Amino acid sequence: LAKTTQPISMDSYEGQEVNITCSHNNIATNDYITWYQQFPSQGPRFIIQGYKTKVTNEVASLFIPADRKSSTLSLPRVSLSDTAVYYCLVGGSYNTDKLIFGTGTRLQVFP
Amino acid sequence: GAVVSQHPSRVICKSGTSVKIECRSLDFQATTMFWYRQFPKQSLMLMATSNEGSKATYEQGVEKDKFLINHASLTLSTLTVTSAHPEDSSFYICSAATDDYSNQPQHFGDGTRLSIL
Repeated sequence: LAKTTQPISMDSYEGQEVNITCSHNNIATNDYITWYQQFPSQGPRFIIQGYKTKVTNEVASLFIPADRKSSTLSLPRVSLSDTAVYYCLVGGSYNTDKLIFGTGTRLQVFP
Repeated sequence: GAVVSQHPSRVICKSGTSVKIECRSLDFQATTMFWYRQFPKQSLMLMATSNEGSKATYEQGVEKDKFLINHASLTLSTLTVTSAHPEDSSFYICSAATDDYSNQPQHFGDGTRLSIL
């Protein structure tokens, strides 16, 4: 089964850059890497998705090394509203074995 | 972006009641919809995958007679928790994807908090 490993929690201060790394050693050739953000009592929200190298959008960057066994979500300048749980999800092909959410990383941003 | 609407957002009912939760994709056709369950401070656990017009595929340990899933159209899937008991109290979340969800992200609803008294 595809499995991801992330730090359980991280603390930061407003204005800092936050990098959250996810390990996915048994990623398959067809697997994409997707990151989601979840606030309490809400469904996850899509942040960013990538396959290799670097992807950037208006809210985050995603760095994926050549071996693709890990990925790093980078939030450039966090604010209090970025306090949430962040999940990385690997796969999504026609195999639901891949749709396994890990523990997620609980990010707490302080003023 | 793609919008998935889930209704109701919260249900409180007595033990033995059956509860239906709806999941709608508002601006795209969702060939595949997923149902998850999330307990407090835990991660999402996939319960079942439903494809339009066919029977749902349940994950191991999920009772199909307990959690009835119907995906009658490309924009609507329903989850019915039959004869709910307090241990069924949880946060239920649906998501929707196009057929080729290998490189398209899932779009999640905002969840339904089910409380069984």
